[in-house]
Amino acid sequence: GEDVEQSLFLSVREGDSSVINCTYTDSSSTYLYWYKQEPGAGLQLLTYIFSNMDMKQDQRLTVLLNKKDKHLSLRIADTQTGDSAIYFCAENLGYSTLTFGKGTMLLVSP
Amino acid sequence: DTEVTQTPKHLVMGMTNKKSLKCEQHMGHRAMYWYKQKAKKPPELMFVYSYEKLSINESVPSRFSPECPNSSLLNLHLHALQPEDSALYLCASSQDGQLNTEAFFGQGTRLTVV
Repeated sequence: GEDVEQSLFLSVREGDSSVINCTYTDSSSTYLYWYKQEPGAGLQLLTYIFSNMDMKQDQRLTVLLNKKDKHLSLRIADTQTGDSAIYFCAENLGYSTLTFGKGTMLLVSP
Repeated sequence: DTEVTQTPKHLVMGMTNKKSLKCEQHMGHRAMYWYKQKAKKPPELMFVYSYEKLSINESVPSRFSPECPNSSLLNLHLHALQPEDSALYLCASSQDGQLNTEAFFGQGTRLTVV
């Protein structure tokens, strides 16, 4: 496909793990990013992974990259209500261009 | 300091008005970007400045006019906008235009055209 694909909605309970999935378009993308956007706010860079890595861990966040399937995932451990937001994956398609997925809305219930 | 600062946070303007959006970063980044985000949609690239020169214009109408006075500042001048231009306008910066590192975004300017 030509678009960066994400599931649109995920609902979890507080304390559970959340896994947000993304399928990107270009196997030559060098960097892949995860951004968080709270209502009415800008985009907060959560983490990024270089394409020669399989996994990156940063506190509660784990990014897994499957280059063969062009699949990227973001796992949030011990999800909190403050994690409720829209999560965008993005790929670097080349010079200066970030292409975003449509975003996954994560809803965390107490 | 990994902050990109945008002003104003909110702007309401008439279709005959002229206004400007401002963006500032002090991370020494040499690439700066304008994105437009409509409700419930991902951001869409408008312009890229690299080393203070316009390097990408994604076929944006001329009623949007970018300006990069120096490496820390990026403006977006608005004139004769339409109601459909109402959106969140996001500024971003990165070390260079190759996007080999992080790209940081500001909090955006919520623009309403009436």
